[in-house]
Amino acid sequence: AQSVTQLGSHVSVSEGALVLLRCNYSSSVPPYLFWYVQYPNQGLQLLLKYTSAATLVKGINGFEAEFKKSETSFHLTKPSAHMSDAAEYFCAVRPYTSGTYKYIFGTGTRLKVLA
Amino acid sequence: SAVISQKPSRDICQRGTSLTIQCQVDSQVTMMFWYRQQPGQSLTLIATANQGSEATYESGFVIDKFPISRPNLTFSTLTVSNMSPEDSSIYLCSGGVGGGSLSEQFFGPGTRLTVL
Repeated sequence: AQSVTQLGSHVSVSEGALVLLRCNYSSSVPPYLFWYVQYPNQGLQLLLKYTSAATLVKGINGFEAEFKKSETSFHLTKPSAHMSDAAEYFCAVRPYTSGTYKYIFGTGTRLKVLA
Repeated sequence: SAVISQKPSRDICQRGTSLTIQCQVDSQVTMMFWYRQQPGQSLTLIATANQGSEATYESGFVIDKFPISRPNLTFSTLTVSNMSPEDSSIYLCSGGVGGGSLSEQFFGPGTRLTVL
């Protein structure tokens, strides 16, 4: 069965520092991959998605992610953290299977930005 | 894109009662889903809401506990029945659009349920 692993349930960075949130998937066939952000007391907002068109995906709010098939990874990065980036981040996969729209979510990483 | 609203946004309920959560999408979506997010945890898919027919439930979730309706392409309800404190969670609705590489899910703001 497909699964997605997010390393680090909590990540702290200083304001202005690089943000790196890790996501690895398990699949012999690269699935569709997504990063969502959840701000306190809100729903999920799509940051970016990988759909095989390009390995480096740019999203909103300055985030980007690189798909690496050899490492089965889809890590999320941002060059310079801002206080407003503090939130919960979820990696999700949608198996590359015809007819299924289900997403499988990772356990989430809570990002804290230090002043 | 699709904008999804949920009602109520939060509720506090007594053990043994039931609560119905409504999900409204501002445009037609192919699929609608219901998720549960327990405190401090990730999202777990409860079921896929099918228009005009019975929902498709994931392992560990049953229709008697979580009856779901989807009368049309833009509206769905989830009922949490005979509630216990273990049902205290955030319940999220999502709508899926597109196919293949164009598929995307949009999420509602969630309903925060506390069961006493």
